[in-house]
Amino acid sequence: QQQVKQSPQSLIVQKGGISIINCAYENTAFDYFPWYQQFPGKGPALLIAIRPDVSEKKEGRFTISFNKSAKQFSLHIMDSQPGDSATYFCAASVQGAQKLVFGQGTRLTINP
Amino acid sequence: EAGVAQSPRYKIIEKRQSVAFWCNPISGHATLYWYQQILGQGPKLLIQFQNNGVVDDSQLPKDRFSAERLKGVDSTLKIQPAKLEDSAVYLCASSLNLVTEAFFGQGTRLTVV
Repeated sequence: QQQVKQSPQSLIVQKGGISIINCAYENTAFDYFPWYQQFPGKGPALLIAIRPDVSEKKEGRFTISFNKSAKQFSLHIMDSQPGDSATYFCAASVQGAQKLVFGQGTRLTINP
Repeated sequence: EAGVAQSPRYKIIEKRQSVAFWCNPISGHATLYWYQQILGQGPKLLIQFQNNGVVDDSQLPKDRFSAERLKGVDSTLKIQPAKLEDSAVYLCASSLNLVTEAFFGQGTRLTVV
């Protein structure tokens, strides 16, 4: 019940396209859903996060869509750029604490 | 503002040896975390400190792993004895408190041979 399932494992998108990564969770107590971006040799960095009281949050080219009834959330990267090539992790936690449960990760490659 | 500092960056040891990792969190951050990231997987929380007290160590293999944060600032994570399956990147993170964003260090890549 503590798992967060992420898909796809890898994704290749053309420059300018839309990248979509999906996550699903079981624990209905989760109330904080961040996305992290990780470049090789670096630690994860917070990209964007959402709480379940809203269905969508947008920051620049990055949007989180949240479906509470389906227990799913997704990351959309609009106008994807080669610099977006990285591994993306969804995560979830309870009561806003940073005791995060991470998904398996998605390796995103943006072709120029 | 300086980020989370970790050392060493890389470590190769033989199985059954011991190893220690060091973390210096962002100044003023009360909460410190150690995560284990096995290749191809997401990070998994090992232990969480609030100042110098342990908040959660439920996923720490206590028969071989130990961690301390003796003055509520720096922290060390130790593995003794190491097993092949301990090969991973060990990430340290810190946050102002239990509910604010965590900032990650670059990690220590451990290879056990």
